[in-house]
Amino acid sequence: LAKTTQPISMDSYEGQEVNITCSHNNIATNDYITWYQQFPSQGPRFIIQGYKTKVTNEVASLFIPADRKSSTLSLPRVSLSDTAVYYCLVGTLNAGKSTFGDGTTLTVKP
Amino acid sequence: NAGVMQNPRHLVRRRGQEARLRCSPMKGHSHVYWYRQLPEEGLKFMVYLQKENIIDESGMPKERFSAEFPKEGPSILRIQQVVRGDSAAYFCASSPSQGSDEQFFGPGTRLTVL
Repeated sequence: LAKTTQPISMDSYEGQEVNITCSHNNIATNDYITWYQQFPSQGPRFIIQGYKTKVTNEVASLFIPADRKSSTLSLPRVSLSDTAVYYCLVGTLNAGKSTFGDGTTLTVKP
Repeated sequence: NAGVMQNPRHLVRRRGQEARLRCSPMKGHSHVYWYRQLPEEGLKFMVYLQKENIIDESGMPKERFSAEFPKEGPSILRIQQVVRGDSAAYFCASSPSQGSDEQFFGPGTRLTVL
């Protein structure tokens, strides 16, 4: 599984757009990029997944450049409830397991 | 449709005792994954199971830890002769098939070893 690197922490204010970038230089051809959100004392929750270019759903967008060596999770207009740890995972859909890095702790301030 | 269920939510054991953690996957899901999370760290994969089969246990410690997912009933993660270093949150996830787009996580079991 490809190793991922994310910032340890980020601060933002309510209403701002937040972009969290993940580096994965050793991503393999068959690897997908998946982001999870985890609140304290809870299990992670799936946010979004993509392979290339841009993916958007009701909660976030995922931008993946052509070389796929990095990806950016974009959260529009964050609120206090978006304060959480965000994990970037890279692997094949058929791997059957995921290795989580240490994640990015996002703190949204009023 | 109930989500992934884990019990107990909190478990306290003394050193040397056994810990049994249970996971009931979402209805219709036949793939179960166990992860361990130490304080201030990310989740570490432990084992991946299908009904009656262990598919990948590369993240499981070689001793004292075992997992099963019987034909009937929940998946069980068993830790024998617990030590203080086993204190962690243990999360179970399920998916409907291998390589599914997402894994659905349970609320976790917090094990404290005194």
